Amino acid sequence: DTGVSQDPRHKITKRGQNVTFRCDPISEHNRLYWYRQTLGQGPEFLTYFQNEAQLEKSRLLSDRFSAERPKGSFSTLEIQRTEQGDSAMYLCASRPSGHENNEQFFGPGTRLTVL
Amino acid sequence: DQQVKQNSPSLSVQEGRISILNCDYTNSMFDYFLWYKKYPAEGPTFLISISSIKDKNEDGRFTVFLNKSAKHLSLHIVPSQPGDSAVYFCAYSRAGGGADGLTFGKGTHLIIQP
Repeated sequence: DTGVSQDPRHKITKRGQNVTFRCDPISEHNRLYWYRQTLGQGPEFLTYFQNEAQLEKSRLLSDRFSAERPKGSFSTLEIQRTEQGDSAMYLCASRPSGHENNEQFFGPGTRLTVL
Repeated sequence: DQQVKQNSPSLSVQEGRISILNCDYTNSMFDYFLWYKKYPAEGPTFLISISSIKDKNEDGRFTVFLNKSAKHLSLHIVPSQPGDSAVYFCAYSRAGGGADGLTFGKGTHLIIQP
């Protein structure tokens, strides 16, 4: 399968714990995006990378959230001191440069439940 | 403030008939609008897009119409098929400034009835 993959698919944690999610984009896609989706809402943009550079961060990305893409391939999203309001589906997407319509290819998501 | 509005949370259409999904927006600074389709337990998949300089784009059974004066776009699916049952999101891609994240509406759940 050559699509975007995310790991884990599900994560249950207790409030106050740290969690880390991984995203593997489609090979050779140099742009990588993180979104968050809560019940009844559409995906909300969090941040994006071009290669290893983090170029844009949403105001939704509080200081408890950090994202990295150290080698310009896979990316990790860490949430520190999780809160119940962090419960959501975390989606990763990727695309190559040059798609002028900004078509992004999404992974299946990681569903986070904070107890 | 919600910049992309999909005012119908759900829509039920009979198989073979036309499905029309609507989207209103407030920000005129966009390059493209995109439609995504989402099945349960899967990520959204791209369906069709339209450039800000066009008023129509067609791809097989799917046609998107853009009315810039009304700040409204619609997705037409004809004929509707059972596999079209899913949640549909419209999203816009902002123009310029290095902004690259998509802004999504809340989605419309389309149900195709046999």
